[in-house]
Amino acid sequence: GENVEQHPSTLSVQEGDSAVIKCTYSDSASNYFPWYKQELGKGPQLIIDIRSNVGEKKDQRIAVTLNKTAKHFSLHITETQPEDSAVYFCAALDYGQNFVFGPGTRLSVLP
Amino acid sequence: GAGVSQSPSNKVTEKGKDVELRCDPISGHTALYWYRQSLGQGLEFLIYFQGNSAPDKSGLPSDRFSAERTGGSVSTLTIQRTQQEDSAVYLCASNYETVNSPLHFGNGTRLTVT
Repeated sequence: GENVEQHPSTLSVQEGDSAVIKCTYSDSASNYFPWYKQELGKGPQLIIDIRSNVGEKKDQRIAVTLNKTAKHFSLHITETQPEDSAVYFCAALDYGQNFVFGPGTRLSVLP
Repeated sequence: GAGVSQSPSNKVTEKGKDVELRCDPISGHTALYWYRQSLGQGLEFLIYFQGNSAPDKSGLPSDRFSAERTGGSVSTLTIQRTQQEDSAVYLCASNYETVNSPLHFGNGTRLTVT
């Protein structure tokens, strides 16, 4: 079955700097890759997603890139703000329509 | 519109008791998922309901765990004879039964077994 790895597990950046979180997946049949942000005491919220026929997608300060050959995808947050501090999860949708999540990255944006 | 609703938000129970956790998915969503999240950990898949198909129960950790979905809408996750290791946040999510439809999560039920 699908396996998703995520790095780093924790990340601290200065406000205004960029943050990059990387994920790799194992199943070449996976074709949809969402990213979620989870704040304390809340459920994960979708922030951006990418489909396998697209190499990059951008939404304001957030972008995701996908390399299907290498089976990895990355989240890029530019001009980070304190409210970006949260746990971020990547996920891959496998052939059986089941979402497999990475272990998460705790991002801290220091003022 | 209304999101995924879970109840109760918090549940404290004694070891050995049974508990029921409820999930109301977004109206119109035909697929429903349950995940477990231990403190500071990732999301552990438990069970997945998709339309009228048989549920995918491959993630249930033991036969003490069961779930049902009545009328294709509300779902109940039941844990029998709770153990301390069952303490976690139980998250429910739903989506459309179409290709590449993102999951929408509730805020979870925090279960504490004393």
